[in-house]
Amino acid sequence: LAKTTQPISMDSYEGQEVNITCSHNNIATNDYITWYQQFPSQGPRFIIQGYKTKVTNEVASLFIPADRKSSTLSLPRVSLSDTAVYYCLVGDSRTGRRALTFGSGTRLQVQP
Amino acid sequence: EAGVTQFPSHSVIEKGQTVTLRCDPISGHDNLYWYRRVMGKEIKFLLHFVKESKQDESGMPNNRFLAERTGGTYSTLKVQPAELEDSGVYFCASSRDRGEKLFFGSGTQLSVL
Repeated sequence: LAKTTQPISMDSYEGQEVNITCSHNNIATNDYITWYQQFPSQGPRFIIQGYKTKVTNEVASLFIPADRKSSTLSLPRVSLSDTAVYYCLVGDSRTGRRALTFGSGTRLQVQP
Repeated sequence: EAGVTQFPSHSVIEKGQTVTLRCDPISGHDNLYWYRRVMGKEIKFLLHFVKESKQDESGMPNNRFLAERTGGTYSTLKVQPAELEDSGVYFCASSRDRGEKLFFGSGTQLSVL
């Protein structure tokens, strides 16, 4: 399964837009890109999933370029409560085969 | 709708003892997954049930780990005998269909002394 690479950490301030990019150079044709958020002492929580171009929901947007070798999670106007670890996963959603690892994730710290 | 629940939330045992972790998925979710994060490492997949059948158990570390899902409802993960390196957080997740997002429980923190 495709390995993912993300920045270890990012800092931001309340009200700013945050973009977290994930590299997945070996992504396969059938692979989807999924992002999860995790707070301390909790399990990961689904944020967004996409295959190509752009996907938007009530909490985030996901931008995927044509070659799909990377993806960018965009969080508009972050607040203190968005401080968490964000994971990018790549896997074949159709067969139910999940990414074997979550990768190291990106620790986002939002300051007042 | 109740989420995925795991029990216990914490467990402290001695090396060589047996521990059983339980996961109750969201009602109606046929797919159930176990993941774990050992100290300082990434969250790793252990296995996947579809109803009561093991769909993929390629992530199970060794034969000291036994997962069951009798009746296709809740699942148990038994570690026997536990070793020091088994310490970590064990997460359970479920989904209705294979292609859908996973709902995770809060995990069981296992400490083997």
